[in-house]
Amino acid sequence: SQTIHQWPATLVQPVGSPLSLECTVEGTSNPNLYWYRQAAGRGLQLLFYSVGIGQISSEVPQNLSASRPQDRQFILSSKKLLLSDSGFYLCAWSDLLPPPAGTSTDTQYFGPGTRLTVL
Amino acid sequence: AQSVTQPDIHITVSEGASLELRCNYSYGATPYLFWYVQSPGQGLQLLLKYFSGDTLVQGIKGFEAEFKRSQSSFNLRKPSVHWSDAAEYFCAVDEEDTPLVFGKGTRLSVIA
Repeated sequence: SQTIHQWPATLVQPVGSPLSLECTVEGTSNPNLYWYRQAAGRGLQLLFYSVGIGQISSEVPQNLSASRPQDRQFILSSKKLLLSDSGFYLCAWSDLLPPPAGTSTDTQYFGPGTRLTVL
Repeated sequence: AQSVTQPDIHITVSEGASLELRCNYSYGATPYLFWYVQSPGQGLQLLLKYFSGDTLVQGIKGFEAEFKRSQSSFNLRKPSVHWSDAAEYFCAVDEEDTPLVFGKGTRLSVIA
């Protein structure tokens, strides 16, 4: 069965410091991968998604970046953290099924999350 | 672009009472619809999903949801709530070939 891991679980970083959050998926090949941020009262905000190695789509312009160096590894980074980067970061994966009759589905499965506090 | 509205930010119900969480979407065609649950400090767990067919969908933990095209709704229901159901619930919509769009969530509190 598939599993998704995120680490660290919690992180406290000073403003201006760098960031690296890692997400890995086991038990599947060529998954779609996603990074979300969840801030209080704002629901889930899609940050990045990737359909393959080296392929990153950015949904929201900001000081964060994402990379996918391996098929099942997705990294969220920042060179200089801002206070507003605090939040709960969630990684997710999906198997985009091939389209029979022109349809496709995208059931996403989420990791346990990383709580980031920027001070 | 599609949008998802969960009009209730916070709902409190008594244990054993029935529950209905509302979700409305705006999208021209029939979308794919999902409900997720998030316990405090945890990731999201898929409760159920609707792609096509029977408009009443059964999920895990005794939850069900009904797709009503005429109302553009996909409300989540449970006949008898347990204290362990206290969590945040997210409705999500999928348009073909684009990532999921989530509602802002409804926080459920359960009282004795």
